[in-house]
Amino acid sequence: SQTIHQWPATLVQPVGSPLSLECTVEGTSNPNLYWYRQAAGRGLQLLFYSVGIGQISSEVPQNLSASRPQDRQFILSSKKLLLSDSGFYLCAWSHPGNIQYFGAGTRLSVL
Amino acid sequence: EDQVTQSPEALRLQEGESSSLNCSYTVSGLRGLFWYRQDPGKGPEFLFTLYSAGEEKEKERLKATLTKKESFLHITAPKPEDSATYLCAVQAWETSGSRLTFGEGTQLTVNP
Repeated sequence: SQTIHQWPATLVQPVGSPLSLECTVEGTSNPNLYWYRQAAGRGLQLLFYSVGIGQISSEVPQNLSASRPQDRQFILSSKKLLLSDSGFYLCAWSHPGNIQYFGAGTRLSVL
Repeated sequence: EDQVTQSPEALRLQEGESSSLNCSYTVSGLRGLFWYRQDPGKGPEFLFTLYSAGEEKEKERLKATLTKKESFLHITAPKPEDSATYLCAVQAWETSGSRLTFGEGTQLTVNP
């Protein structure tokens, strides 16, 4: 069966520091991969998605970037964090046109 | 642009008091409508996918229905463990990357 791993679970970072969040999927190949951000009590905002290695599409212009160095690995990065980058970050995977399955999420606090 | 509106934003029920959550959508060619459950501090958990108007799916105390403009999540005789935020999302046929557009969610609280 397929599983998705996301780490760390919580992260506290100072303003201006770099960020790297990692997501890996097991038990499948060539998945679509997604990064979402969720503000408190709100819905999910799609940040990036990828349909293959090295293929990244950005949905919202911002201080973040994403990379897919391997088939089942998706990384969310920032060179300098802003206060507004705080939130709950979720990684998801799917087969094309199918159900998206989510990781446990990373709670990021930028202070 | 695809849009999803969920109502109410929050709903409080007594245990056993049945009710419905609404998800209204506009999409250029619906490929699928998805319902998820999200517990505080956790990732969304998939519940149902509906593909065409008139379709219904059930799981324990939950039943999801779909029309051409909206979906309902009916909760029959809810229990406190049904308390969670319920998210609705749509996927359009021509959307690249199989992207989903989510609503803001309905926060359900079931009191014992």
